[in-house]
Amino acid sequence: NAGVMQNPRHLVRRRGQEARLRCSPMKGHSHVYWYRQLPEEGLKFMVYLQKENIIDESGMPKERFSAEFPKEGPSILRIQQVVRGDSAAYFCASSPGTPNIQYFGAGTRLSVL
Amino acid sequence: AQTVTQSQPEMSVQEAETVTLSCTYDTSESDYYLFWYKQPPSRQMILVIRQEAYKQQNATENRFSVNFQKAAKSFSLKISDSQLGDAAMYFCAYRPLGQGGSEKLVFGKGTKLTVNP
Repeated sequence: NAGVMQNPRHLVRRRGQEARLRCSPMKGHSHVYWYRQLPEEGLKFMVYLQKENIIDESGMPKERFSAEFPKEGPSILRIQQVVRGDSAAYFCASSPGTPNIQYFGAGTRLSVL
Repeated sequence: AQTVTQSQPEMSVQEAETVTLSCTYDTSESDYYLFWYKQPPSRQMILVIRQEAYKQQNATENRFSVNFQKAAKSFSLKISDSQLGDAAMYFCAYRPLGQGGSEKLVFGKGTKLTVNP
C-alpha cells in the first residue's frame, strides 16, 4: 500500500506565477489535510477536505489560496500570484476517517524567486 | 485556542543513552489525542507514538514511551537506548477527539535532537 504521494518534491516559481501542489492520499483514504511549514516552525493547519467537499478551511489565507479534492484524482492546493512569503514546505496528510491517524506525505518545498 | 509548546529548541544525547523531550499544551477540552511525530532530514513526517487523553496508562512503542500528566497538561517523550537514526526534529501535536471537533493537528515548534556517537 503506497503512502501519501506528493508532487512535485520541489517547485520553483517566480513572483506572480501560479503554484499547483498535488497530493494523492493513501488507498482507501477519503480525508485529506494540508499543512504549511515555514522555516524553523512547526506545521500549521491550512485546510481539511473530504471527497468533493471542504470541511474546514480555517487555516487558509483568504486570498490567492484554494484547495480541492475532486471525486477522481488527487487533491490540489493552488496558490495564485505567489509572493516570496509563500516560500515554505507544504505537507499533505490523509486518513481513512475520523477520528484517525493522519499519515503524511514527504511534502513539497515551494521556493518563490 | 489550543496551543502546544516545546520549550527545548535543541537537545543532544549520546548513543545508547536516554533522552526526554518536553511538551506542554493548553486546552479546555477533556477528550483529545496527543502525538509525537519525527521529521528526519528527508522531511517525511513519521508518527512515533500517540496517546488518548482518556487513557491513564502511558503509551509505549518499543524504545519510545511517554509521560502523560493530564492535570499538568504535560506530554513528554522518552527515547531509550538512543540510536543514530533517532536524530531528527521531533514535533508534539494535539487534536481534539469529540464529535464535531476540528480534525486539525496543532503542532509545537519542534525540538532538534542530535545523537552523538
